[in-house]
Amino acid sequence: QKEVEQNSGPLSVPEGAIASLNCTYSDRVSQSFFWYRQYSGKSPELIMSIYSNGDKEDGRFTAQLNKASQYVSLLIRDSQPSDSATYLCAVNKAAGNKLTFGGGTRVLVKP
Amino acid sequence: DADVTQTPRNRITKTGKRIMLECSQTKGHDRMYWYRQDPGLGLRLIYYSFDVKDINKGEISDGYSVSRQAQAKFSLSLESAIPNQTALYFCATSDSRGADTQYFGPGTRLTVL
Repeated sequence: QKEVEQNSGPLSVPEGAIASLNCTYSDRVSQSFFWYRQYSGKSPELIMSIYSNGDKEDGRFTAQLNKASQYVSLLIRDSQPSDSATYLCAVNKAAGNKLTFGGGTRVLVKP
Repeated sequence: DADVTQTPRNRITKTGKRIMLECSQTKGHDRMYWYRQDPGLGLRLIYYSFDVKDINKGEISDGYSVSRQAQAKFSLSLESAIPNQTALYFCATSDSRGADTQYFGPGTRLTVL
């Protein structure tokens, strides 16, 4: 079992719809959770971080964390073609430790 | 100017050659990392350094070495490049006083023929 797992996709959503991405992790002691967006051939850029159970909203993005079920999700509301990218989930086991990345979910937003 | 820079951005080399990839940062972060990315495999950690005197192996360190010349500089070497080291390489930094967020450089696309 991989430490951090994501569906590779592609996840195809129509413009204006909600894209829902999921990530599961294996280590129950994980403390910090991150979502990065990566355009093809470019470097990952942080879009959300979440540390406690519940929802965290930032603009059109909402991260949801459920430590009991060991999953973290990302919702993209009002999806735009510019949201077409690969979204990487990353998990940190402990403060100051190194991140473990999932394989990424490719999202395609169709006009 | 970019906070995290990598040189070169693209490199084509031949099997057996020694290659050095360089990373510099102006963010003042103490921690630096090297990752490689292959299609469908996400980011895999090669080496990381939590300060100038601290170097640690990641999950795929075989065939690679690193040097932390200063807090702002972290270089990755391939002593004898082989074709399966063809990949996209990223350097990243983070601040131990901060929130564990890693900031990535623009990447180096390496092709080993």
